[in-house]
This record gives sequence, C-alpha cells and structure tokens, in this order.
Amino acid sequence: DTEVTQTPKHLVMGMTNKKSLKCEQHMGHRAMYWYKQKAKKPPELMFVYSYEKLSINESVPSRFSPECPNSSLLNLHLHALQPEDSALYLCASSQVSNGGETQYFGPGTRLLVL
Amino acid sequence: QKEVEQDPGPLSVPEGAIVSLNCTYSNSAFQYFMWYRQYSRKGPELLMYTYSSGNKEDGRFTAQVDKSSKYISLFIRDSQPSDSATYLCAMTHSGAGSYQLTFGKGTKLSVIP
Repeated sequence: DTEVTQTPKHLVMGMTNKKSLKCEQHMGHRAMYWYKQKAKKPPELMFVYSYEKLSINESVPSRFSPECPNSSLLNLHLHALQPEDSALYLCASSQVSNGGETQYFGPGTRLLVL
Repeated sequence: QKEVEQDPGPLSVPEGAIVSLNCTYSNSAFQYFMWYRQYSRKGPELLMYTYSSGNKEDGRFTAQVDKSSKYISLFIRDSQPSDSATYLCAMTHSGAGSYQLTFGKGTKLSVIP
C-alpha cells in the first residue's frame, strides 16, 4: 500500500475563516511534507516533519500552521489566508532507501480563497 | 543557472511513438532521481526512481541516469493517449541536518490517438 490520503479534496474559504487540511499515511514513513502547487508550476516545499518534529519550514507565512499529531497524520491549519494562497496543497510522505528518499504524494486539496 | 532544467514543452506525439523526456542538473550532490507523472488537477504520482547511473526499466518506462553528464531521461515506449500528462523530474540529496528535493518545471506531454 503506497497510499497517502488527503481531505478535503476541495475547499473554498473566506479570508476570515479558519480551516484545516488533513493528510494520512499508513506506510510507516517517518517523514511527511506539505507542498504548495500553483497552476503550471512544480510543487514548492512548505514544511517537513521528521519523526513528528518540524525539521524544515521554508519561510512560510504564519497564517499556515502545520501539526503532526502522530506518525500517520499531518495537518495544515489555515487562518486569515489571502486570495494568492489559492493553490493545490499536496501532502507527501517518504521512506529512506539506498541512501535516498522516495516521496509518495497524496491527491491534494484544491483550495480557493475568496 | 537553475539547479534542475527541464523543457516545459508542450510535447505532442502520435500514439505508439517512443517518448524521450530529459532533465539536466548542476548540483553534483544530487544522489537520488525520480520521475513523477501528474494528470491535470491531480497530485504527482511516482513513476520511477533511481540511485545510480545506468538504466532502470519498468514495463513501458525506462529511466536513465548519467551522473558524469548530469543528465537524466525517461523513455516511454509504445506511448498511449493515457500517458498524456505532465512529467516532473525530481532530485534529492540529504546530509546531516539538511534535506533538499528539487523538481524540474515539468514537461507537458500529449499523445494523439
């Protein structure tokens, strides 16, 4: 099973709303990631969790708040977003193999901020 | 110079053709090379990953890495309309306390029936 699941698939929110994106994997991977992808662009890394600890924050605005409650779950809490934050938000998890990492992506949450 | 260069296309081929997709990179620290396929409005799907120079084959797909030239390729044999998607190369290296994953811009492929 190489599945990463994400909910919801689509989300529309106003600039004053608070919402959360959820990601789950049961592959035993100990690294999980949030990416943001704008149309016709490659994914951009936002956060990396390694063994449930935040290890990388790529200078993401504080209106995005990640949380890793356990080794299988990853959340992204959203508050006071801007219209330019509208994008596809991708979760990934990875395993280490032969000295490298292979990332498996979820289907993404398509977010529209009005 | 960007760390990973990939021609965005679009690339249009007839059904049954052999497709060649390529990326070049400048950072010799990259160790692990991946190809992802992304259908419109979907998340990237891992197709192939390789660690060393050489070829790796999986069905109709062959991934090729030439570390001396800093050049990677993905070949698709007997291309099908269902192969129409954007193909992203990605490379990683990791060391003590650091991690880097870099994607190419993606090549949009259309296979015409």
